[in-house]
Amino acid sequence: AQSVTQLDSHVSVSEGTPVLLRCNYSSSYSPSLFWYVQHPNKGLQLLLKYTSAATLVKGINGFEAEFKKSETSFHLTKPSAHMSDAAEYFCVVRGNEKLTFGTGTRLTIIP
Amino acid sequence: DAMVIQNPRYQVTQFGKPVTLSCSQTLNHNVMYWYQQKSSQAPKLLFHYYDKDFNNEADTPDNFQSRRPNTSFCFLDIRSPGLGDAAMYLCATTKKKGTFSYEQYFGPGTRLTVT
Repeated sequence: AQSVTQLDSHVSVSEGTPVLLRCNYSSSYSPSLFWYVQHPNKGLQLLLKYTSAATLVKGINGFEAEFKKSETSFHLTKPSAHMSDAAEYFCVVRGNEKLTFGTGTRLTIIP
Repeated sequence: DAMVIQNPRYQVTQFGKPVTLSCSQTLNHNVMYWYQQKSSQAPKLLFHYYDKDFNNEADTPDNFQSRRPNTSFCFLDIRSPGLGDAAMYLCATTKKKGTFSYEQYFGPGTRLTVT
């Protein structure tokens, strides 16, 4: 069985400061991991994915994530937050053709 | 642009009145999913089609049914909506080759209100 745990339900940062959204995973084999973003009343958009290639994954809109097997983590970062980054972020692990979602982290950007 | 389309974006139905939500895709993906997402929660998988094979999640109520008449279209039927079925319904697609699945692409969702 596999699962993901998002360690913060809500993160607030000031515009222009770094963003860190934390995710730990549990998987019995080498996982495929994803970060999705959801803006209010919208569908989910894929930010980035890890599928056992490079451990540092770059995504869209300046986001990146690092896969750390020793820490079973896949934290999402961005050097400088923008107002448009305010949204819900989901860390996701895939098994077969199914996704297991974390509970989500709501990111608020302070002007 | 290739995409996943959901219609309508907003649907209001009455308690107990059947409703159908629609999803179409231009990605030619062989797997299509339906998720239910309630307010401030993660999406919950209801069922999926792998080609024509229907796969129901164990805890999906019988009130929820699905049809996939062809590769491009998939429908979610709620036979007798209750107030607890009010949610965002998300359609997603992926390509699966053998045992490997690519990432899922999501539609914009249909927000269902039950009055």
